[in-house]
Amino acid sequence: QSALTQPASVSGSPGQSITISCTGTSSDVGGYNYVSWYQQHPGEAPKVMIYDVTNRPSGVSSRFSGSKSGNTASLTISGLQAEDEADYYCSSYTSDSSLVFGGGTRVTVL
Amino acid sequence: QVQLQESGPGLVTPSQTLSLTCNVSGGSISSGGYYWSWIRQHPEKGLEWMGYIYYSGSVYYNPSLKSRLTVSVDTSENLFSLKLTSVTAADTGVYYCARSYGGYYFDHWGQGTLVTVSS
Repeated sequence: QSALTQPASVSGSPGQSITISCTGTSSDVGGYNYVSWYQQHPGEAPKVMIYDVTNRPSGVSSRFSGSKSGNTASLTISGLQAEDEADYYCSSYTSDSSLVFGGGTRVTVL
Repeated sequence: QVQLQESGPGLVTPSQTLSLTCNVSGGSISSGGYYWSWIRQHPEKGLEWMGYIYYSGSVYYNPSLKSRLTVSVDTSENLFSLKLTSVTAADTGVYYCARSYGGYYFDHWGQGTLVTVSS
């Protein structure tokens, strides 16, 4: 079970849009519409921001959106704000009925 | 609102067994549709899914931990537990319990508990 591949860091200025990629295989990301994204601030537990590739839980800002193409999923944050500075992790269901996370991406607001 | 709370020793001796419990409140662990999960995070590292269990007892493990990990559920006490045997320093980290909807994503998390493996 190999971790999904994410860029180590992404940065942007306030108001800009950024996109974080999450690359897997046909046995995980590409094979199922069960990709989720989590935001983690220092010292806190992760919080789900997107589930089932594109769905946003109640209470999560509409500035967060998800998509998928082939074996790569993406999280886009539009109108970047200082409070968005955090670590972001993707996760996918896999063909052996397990879950796998990405290595994480640190988002910096310049 | 479902809440999860981890409990257990913060320090474990190498080669011993790490045991943690997750108490669930605000909802029944026996309500269908959810898998009760353990996830860990090594210091300054990413998240690692360890395994999850359904209230009926069906359990799934991360293949890399399967030989050392046991996850169990106690529906009468509304809690689930983790046992990880033969621990080493590499097992040091923050351990989270979480609820997984359908086994596909984690919608509620505990606050996490730091476990250090050291003599």
